[in-house]
Amino acid sequence: EAEVAQSPRYKITEKSQAVAFWCDPISGHATLYWYRQILGQGPELLVQFQDESVVDDSQLPKDRFSAERLKGVDSTLKIQPAELGDSAMYLCASSFRGTGAETQYFGPGTRLLVL
Amino acid sequence: GEDVEQSLFLSVREGDSSVINCTYTDSSSTYLYWYKQEPGAGLQLLTYIFSNMDMKQDQRLTVLLNKKDKHLSLRIADTQTGDSAIYFCAETRSYNTDKLIFGTGTRLQVFP
Repeated sequence: EAEVAQSPRYKITEKSQAVAFWCDPISGHATLYWYRQILGQGPELLVQFQDESVVDDSQLPKDRFSAERLKGVDSTLKIQPAELGDSAMYLCASSFRGTGAETQYFGPGTRLLVL
Repeated sequence: GEDVEQSLFLSVREGDSSVINCTYTDSSSTYLYWYKQEPGAGLQLLTYIFSNMDMKQDQRLTVLLNKKDKHLSLRIADTQTGDSAIYFCAETRSYNTDKLIFGTGTRLQVFP
């Protein structure tokens, strides 16, 4: 069964350093999402791509976060510089077209700890 | 999980039924979902209901929607230890997007 792949699974970094997370969605899925899940809370959407275009980045802290999906397939989320409050699980998800009641398939996530 | 609220914790005995509740505030909700998250893992979609439905049943899962009270519930029949996880309700607020607004999650613990 096809799955959303994410790497690394765990990342420990010091504040002010740069970190990057990678996501490979299910083949053929046009829509890709990055969520942040702070411990004890539900996921919050950071950015949504339709193919290579950003369709929603209203909750992305653009002063330090950036995301790209250059060829409309895999995607990278970067944080520079990392802050203590960025410690969280970063989840990637994908769906076929991104409309209606389509299922979003989630990857296993990258757990980030900023020291 | 702004505007979507859940109780934090639920403990049930194996074989009993579990009922997990969720309240939301946005009347424009289109679809409502239940996701399951096991420790250290991503989210798995369990079921969803369209906002003009009252009930949906899928094997051991029953979803009830009271749109007037903006209340959603998930009933798990014959709860098993493998059902122990965090359960999130989520909503979408437009027919043109599947942007999910998640609740805070309910941790279900099943004891023998």
